[in-house]
Amino acid sequence: DAGVIQSPRHEVTEMGQEVTLRCKPISGHDYLFWYRQTMMRGLELLIYFNNNVPIDDSGMPEDRFSAKMPNASFSTLKIQPSEPRDSAVYFCASSLGGSPGLVAFFGQGTRLTVV
Amino acid sequence: GENVEQHPSTLSVQEGDSAVIKCTYSDSASNYFPWYKQELGKRPQLIIDIRSNVGEKKDQRIAVTLNKTAKHFSLHITETQPEDSAVYFCAATDSGSARQLTFGSGTQLTVLP
Repeated sequence: DAGVIQSPRHEVTEMGQEVTLRCKPISGHDYLFWYRQTMMRGLELLIYFNNNVPIDDSGMPEDRFSAKMPNASFSTLKIQPSEPRDSAVYFCASSLGGSPGLVAFFGQGTRLTVV
Repeated sequence: GENVEQHPSTLSVQEGDSAVIKCTYSDSASNYFPWYKQELGKRPQLIIDIRSNVGEKKDQRIAVTLNKTAKHFSLHITETQPEDSAVYFCAATDSGSARQLTFGSGTQLTVLP
């Protein structure tokens, strides 16, 4: 398995534009997480899914952010409209639930720069 | 919800010395505590984890200890090497209903040759 795959690796966009980040979890994993990493705030959980269903989106900063998981092998995180303060590295992670428990595997991340 | 505090934020040690990073957590229901290593520009990767039914776990030069009563856990790296230089994150979760990991703020470890 190639692990968690994210695309694009880097994204530079102008303020006000729509940005879509993509994630392919490890096959068979039933949990998918979206994190944002910045120097100021560290690793923040934005939202997570279990069996393609959003379970907790309390970390999503505001209505400009939305996430979907249409099937077990694909998820998107969309920012519309983007703002400079959204600049960060966005990580997707997946894990397999159940005993013996949770080990999250991270993708390589998408470095987003909004200018 | 869970709150995880991590100390120190930066740590420099001489090659060959030991390094210790400490974390405290707030939710007594938490029962799974992983540690991640993140090298510059790369993804966080799991290096060791511990569950609440044990007090210590060791893997070569890395060990983690857990004190459930005091709600703190620590990462110990012995015989440090330059390639151990990275940011280390602790995390905690209730592996039952909650599932999501709450991360500490990270420790930048620098091993000086």
